[in-house]
Amino acid sequence: EIVLTQSPGTLSLSPGERATLSCRASESVSSNSLAWYQQKPGQAPRLLIFGASSRATGIPDRFGGSGSGTDFTLAISRLEPEDFAVYYCQQYGSSPWTFGQGTKVEIK
Amino acid sequence: EVQLVESGGGLVQPGRSLRLSCAASGFTFDDYGMHWVRQAPGKGLEWVSGISWNRGTIGYAASVKGRFTISRDNAKNSLYLQMNSLRADDTALYYCARGGLYSWENYFDYWGQGTLVTVSS
Repeated sequence: EIVLTQSPGTLSLSPGERATLSCRASESVSSNSLAWYQQKPGQAPRLLIFGASSRATGIPDRFGGSGSGTDFTLAISRLEPEDFAVYYCQQYGSSPWTFGQGTKVEIK
Repeated sequence: EVQLVESGGGLVQPGRSLRLSCAASGFTFDDYGMHWVRQAPGKGLEWVSGISWNRGTIGYAASVKGRFTISRDNAKNSLYLQMNSLRADDTALYYCARGGLYSWENYFDYWGQGTLVTVSS
């Protein structure tokens, strides 16, 4: 199975700053089938990005995904208070679908 | 509005069985793959099982293969997960999630709120 490794584990930033989250795959992700999710405490995950770079419906344009092959990035251009959460990457190009271990974006 | 509502969780002893259900509404259920994803307390997300729109493709994580069985009833707009031989490490919040339109390989665009399964004696 494809193992996804996210870094850093925790990102401490202030509102208004830029966040850059990394997701590295143990082998190439087919057709850039890589998604990003946001999860806040007590809530279900929410889809942010699919196909490595396409924003899901209703997702603000401060969220951007990029990358291909084995290296992917989620960038949040200017952190809003509601963006502090845990972020997961997921590959869906090769079964079993797998998730990264998550990156927590916390208020500095 | 797409809604996914899970039920059937609870406290169960090791070795026993439990059946989870997910009631779907707000979309044409027959047309979409459906999945179960779980999250152990304080941990990350783990895909458990999925079933394609026409039941032609079914998949399981290695950790549950042979113990769990996924099924769907398109007439009832419902997804199920039969969990047998439960172990302590199956303790988690189980989410129902929508997959792809006529597609097996897909992300999960809608999630339920989850149902908690606790395996303990």
